[in-house]
Amino acid sequence: KQEVTQIPAALSVPEGENLVLNCSFTDSAIYNLQWFRQDPGKGLTSLLLIQSSQREQTSGRLNASLDKSSGRSTLYIAASQPGDSATYLCAVRIQGAQKLVFGQGTRLTINP
Amino acid sequence: DARVTQTPRHKVTEMGQEVTMRCQPILGHNTVFWYRQTMMQGLELLAYFRNRAPLDDSGMPKDRFSAEMPDATLATLKIQPSEPRDSAVYFCASGLVLGSLSSGNTIYFGEGSWLTVV
Repeated sequence: KQEVTQIPAALSVPEGENLVLNCSFTDSAIYNLQWFRQDPGKGLTSLLLIQSSQREQTSGRLNASLDKSSGRSTLYIAASQPGDSATYLCAVRIQGAQKLVFGQGTRLTINP
Repeated sequence: DARVTQTPRHKVTEMGQEVTMRCQPILGHNTVFWYRQTMMQGLELLAYFRNRAPLDDSGMPKDRFSAEMPDATLATLKIQPSEPRDSAVYFCASGLVLGSLSSGNTIYFGEGSWLTVV
Protein backbone atom coordinates (compact mmCIF):
# COMPACT_ATOMS: atom_id res chain seq x y z
CA LYS A 1 0.00 0.00 0.00
CA GLN A 2 1.40 3.37 -1.03
CA GLU A 3 2.09 5.73 1.84
CA VAL A 4 3.13 9.35 1.45
CA THR A 5 4.90 11.22 4.24
CA GLN A 6 5.68 14.90 4.49
CA ILE A 7 8.23 16.31 6.87
CA PRO A 8 8.10 18.65 8.65
CA ALA A 9 4.43 18.93 9.56
CA ALA A 10 4.87 22.64 10.15
CA LEU A 11 7.57 25.15 9.29
CA SER A 12 7.98 28.81 10.16
CA VAL A 13 10.69 30.93 8.54
CA PRO A 14 11.40 34.64 8.09
CA GLU A 15 10.59 36.32 4.82
CA GLY A 16 13.26 36.13 2.15
CA GLU A 17 14.66 32.75 3.08
CA ASN A 18 14.95 29.86 0.67
CA LEU A 19 13.33 26.69 1.96
CA VAL A 20 12.77 23.05 1.12
CA LEU A 21 9.73 20.92 1.81
CA ASN A 22 10.10 17.15 1.75
CA CYS A 23 7.87 14.36 0.53
CA SER A 24 8.60 10.65 0.59
CA PHE A 25 6.63 7.71 -0.76
CA THR A 26 6.98 4.00 -0.11
CA ASP A 27 6.27 2.52 -3.55
CA SER A 28 8.29 3.80 -6.50
CA ALA A 29 5.74 2.50 -9.03
CA ILE A 30 4.17 5.87 -9.68
CA TYR A 31 3.00 7.69 -12.78
CA ASN A 32 3.61 11.17 -11.48
CA LEU A 33 3.87 13.35 -8.41
CA GLN A 34 1.98 16.58 -7.91
CA TRP A 35 2.52 19.41 -5.44
CA PHE A 36 -0.51 21.37 -4.27
CA ARG A 37 -1.06 24.44 -2.17
CA GLN A 38 -4.05 24.80 0.15
CA ASP A 39 -5.01 28.08 1.79
CA PRO A 40 -7.21 28.02 4.91
CA GLY A 41 -10.84 27.37 4.02
CA LYS A 42 -9.99 26.85 0.37
CA GLY A 43 -9.51 24.06 -2.09
CA LEU A 44 -6.26 22.72 -3.49
CA THR A 45 -4.31 24.60 -6.14
CA SER A 46 -1.93 22.62 -8.29
CA LEU A 47 1.60 24.01 -8.26
CA LEU A 48 3.74 21.54 -10.16
CA LEU A 49 3.35 18.15 -11.77
CA ILE A 50 6.38 15.90 -12.31
CA GLN A 51 6.03 12.88 -14.55
CA SER A 52 7.79 9.70 -13.43
CA SER A 53 10.32 10.07 -16.24
CA GLN A 54 11.27 13.60 -15.18
CA ARG A 55 13.70 14.77 -12.54
CA GLU A 56 12.40 18.25 -11.88
CA GLN A 57 9.93 20.96 -12.79
CA THR A 58 10.14 24.70 -12.28
CA SER A 59 7.54 27.42 -12.06
CA GLY A 60 8.66 30.88 -11.03
CA ARG A 61 10.20 30.68 -7.56
CA LEU A 62 9.19 27.05 -7.17
CA ASN A 63 11.27 24.06 -8.12
CA ALA A 64 10.19 20.48 -7.53
CA SER A 65 12.48 17.50 -7.85
CA LEU A 66 11.73 13.81 -8.05
CA ASP A 67 13.96 10.85 -7.23
CA LYS A 68 11.69 7.94 -7.95
CA SER A 69 14.20 5.24 -7.03
CA SER A 70 14.63 6.58 -3.52
CA GLY A 71 10.98 7.56 -3.17
CA ARG A 72 11.61 11.24 -2.54
CA SER A 73 10.52 14.61 -3.80
CA THR A 74 11.39 18.09 -2.66
CA LEU A 75 9.71 21.42 -3.23
CA TYR A 76 12.15 24.31 -3.18
CA ILE A 77 10.77 27.81 -2.63
CA ALA A 78 13.17 30.64 -3.34
CA ALA A 79 13.02 34.06 -1.69
CA SER A 80 9.96 33.22 0.39
CA GLN A 81 7.19 35.79 0.84
CA PRO A 82 4.35 36.11 3.39
CA GLY A 83 1.95 35.23 0.57
CA ASP A 84 3.56 31.80 0.38
CA SER A 85 2.05 30.93 3.76
CA ALA A 86 -0.23 27.94 3.23
CA THR A 87 -0.32 24.19 3.58
CA TYR A 88 1.64 22.35 0.90
CA LEU A 89 0.61 18.83 -0.03
CA CYS A 90 2.29 16.31 -2.25
CA ALA A 91 0.41 13.51 -3.95
CA VAL A 92 1.49 10.57 -6.06
CA ARG A 93 -0.52 8.94 -8.78
CA ILE A 94 0.03 5.23 -8.40
CA GLN A 95 0.44 2.92 -11.35
CA GLY A 96 -2.54 0.83 -12.30
CA ALA A 97 -4.96 3.36 -10.87
CA GLN A 98 -6.07 6.90 -11.48
CA LYS A 99 -6.21 8.04 -7.90
CA LEU A 100 -3.83 10.32 -6.05
CA VAL A 101 -2.44 9.34 -2.66
CA PHE A 102 -1.78 12.39 -0.51
CA GLY A 103 0.62 13.22 2.25
CA GLN A 104 -0.63 14.99 5.35
CA GLY A 105 0.90 18.27 4.27
CA THR A 106 3.38 20.81 5.60
CA ARG A 107 1.91 23.96 7.11
CA LEU A 108 4.23 26.79 6.08
CA THR A 109 4.30 30.21 7.74
CA ILE A 110 6.44 33.01 6.34
CA ASN A 111 6.98 35.77 8.88
CA PRO A 112 7.34 39.36 7.62
CA ASP B 1 -10.84 30.51 -16.48
CA ALA B 2 -11.94 26.86 -16.28
CA ARG B 3 -12.61 25.55 -12.81
CA VAL B 4 -14.31 22.75 -10.92
CA THR B 5 -17.51 24.04 -9.34
CA GLN B 6 -18.99 22.54 -6.19
CA THR B 7 -22.26 23.19 -4.41
CA PRO B 8 -23.13 23.79 -1.66
CA ARG B 9 -20.03 25.48 -0.32
CA HIS B 10 -21.23 25.06 3.25
CA LYS B 11 -23.90 22.82 4.74
CA VAL B 12 -25.03 22.28 8.31
CA THR B 13 -27.53 19.50 8.77
CA GLU B 14 -28.99 17.36 11.47
CA MET B 15 -28.05 13.75 11.95
CA GLY B 16 -30.21 11.45 9.90
CA GLN B 17 -30.86 13.94 7.12
CA GLU B 18 -29.94 13.32 3.51
CA VAL B 19 -27.12 15.40 2.06
CA THR B 20 -26.40 15.80 -1.63
CA MET B 21 -23.25 17.48 -2.90
CA ARG B 22 -22.86 18.42 -6.54
CA CYS B 23 -19.88 18.97 -8.77
CA GLN B 24 -19.42 20.37 -12.23
CA PRO B 25 -16.08 19.18 -13.61
CA ILE B 26 -14.00 21.16 -16.06
CA LEU B 27 -15.38 20.80 -19.57
CA GLY B 28 -13.49 18.14 -21.50
CA HIS B 29 -12.13 16.33 -18.46
CA ASN B 30 -12.88 12.61 -18.48
CA THR B 31 -12.06 11.68 -14.90
CA VAL B 32 -13.83 12.91 -11.77
CA PHE B 33 -12.79 12.24 -8.19
CA TRP B 34 -14.48 12.67 -4.82
CA TYR B 35 -12.13 13.21 -1.87
CA ARG B 36 -12.86 13.79 1.79
CA GLN B 37 -10.57 15.83 4.03
CA THR B 38 -10.49 15.69 7.83
CA MET B 39 -7.91 16.80 10.32
CA MET B 40 -7.28 13.25 11.47
CA GLN B 41 -7.21 11.39 8.16
CA GLY B 42 -6.13 14.06 5.72
CA LEU B 43 -7.32 13.62 2.14
CA GLU B 44 -8.96 10.29 1.36
CA LEU B 45 -10.30 9.15 -1.98
CA LEU B 46 -13.94 8.15 -1.79
CA ALA B 47 -14.70 7.35 -5.43
CA TYR B 48 -13.79 8.22 -8.98
CA PHE B 49 -15.30 8.04 -12.42
CA ARG B 50 -13.82 7.83 -15.86
CA ASN B 51 -15.99 8.70 -18.82
CA ARG B 52 -18.89 8.70 -16.31
CA ALA B 53 -18.32 5.06 -15.34
CA PRO B 54 -17.49 4.36 -11.69
CA LEU B 55 -14.00 2.84 -11.49
CA ASP B 56 -13.30 2.70 -7.81
CA ASP B 57 -15.54 3.43 -4.86
CA SER B 58 -13.70 1.25 -2.35
CA GLY B 59 -13.02 4.25 -0.11
CA MET B 60 -16.68 4.99 0.34
CA PRO B 61 -18.92 3.60 3.11
CA LYS B 62 -21.39 1.72 0.94
CA ASP B 63 -24.25 1.62 3.38
CA ARG B 64 -24.80 5.38 3.45
CA PHE B 65 -22.78 6.94 0.63
CA SER B 66 -23.49 6.88 -3.08
CA ALA B 67 -21.82 8.62 -6.00
CA GLU B 68 -23.15 9.07 -9.50
CA MET B 69 -22.50 10.92 -12.74
CA PRO B 70 -25.86 11.48 -14.42
CA ASP B 71 -24.10 13.25 -17.27
CA ALA B 72 -20.65 14.55 -18.21
CA THR B 73 -21.28 17.92 -16.57
CA LEU B 74 -22.57 16.72 -13.21
CA ALA B 75 -21.26 14.45 -10.47
CA THR B 76 -23.14 13.89 -7.22
CA LEU B 77 -22.21 12.53 -3.82
CA LYS B 78 -25.07 11.60 -1.53
CA ILE B 79 -25.06 10.68 2.13
CA GLN B 80 -28.20 9.09 3.55
CA PRO B 81 -28.57 9.07 6.50
CA SER B 82 -25.86 11.51 7.56
CA GLU B 83 -23.96 11.07 10.82
CA PRO B 84 -21.76 13.45 12.87
CA ARG B 85 -18.65 11.49 11.82
CA ASP B 86 -19.37 12.51 8.23
CA SER B 87 -18.46 16.10 9.10
CA ALA B 88 -15.60 17.00 6.79
CA VAL B 89 -14.71 18.88 3.66
CA TYR B 90 -15.69 17.04 0.50
CA PHE B 91 -13.66 17.88 -2.58
CA CYS B 92 -14.45 17.13 -6.17
CA ALA B 93 -11.58 17.07 -8.64
CA SER B 94 -11.33 16.49 -12.35
CA GLY B 95 -8.65 15.76 -14.88
CA LEU B 96 -7.96 14.48 -18.36
CA VAL B 97 -6.42 11.05 -18.01
CA LEU B 98 -5.50 9.30 -21.23
CA GLY B 99 -5.14 5.54 -21.04
CA SER B 100 -3.83 3.30 -18.30
CA LEU B 101 -0.25 3.65 -19.52
CA SER B 102 -0.34 7.39 -19.60
CA SER B 103 1.21 9.42 -16.84
CA GLY B 104 -1.76 11.73 -16.99
CA ASN B 105 -2.24 15.42 -16.60
CA THR B 106 -2.81 17.79 -13.74
CA ILE B 107 -5.78 17.13 -11.47
CA TYR B 108 -7.83 20.22 -10.60
CA PHE B 109 -9.75 20.58 -7.36
CA GLY B 110 -12.89 22.47 -6.53
CA GLU B 111 -13.24 24.72 -3.49
CA GLY B 112 -14.92 21.97 -1.50
CA SER B 113 -18.22 21.45 0.28
CA TRP B 114 -17.85 22.03 4.01
CA LEU B 115 -20.25 19.67 5.76
CA THR B 116 -21.19 19.76 9.43
CA VAL B 117 -23.58 17.14 10.78
CA VAL B 118 -24.94 17.94 14.24
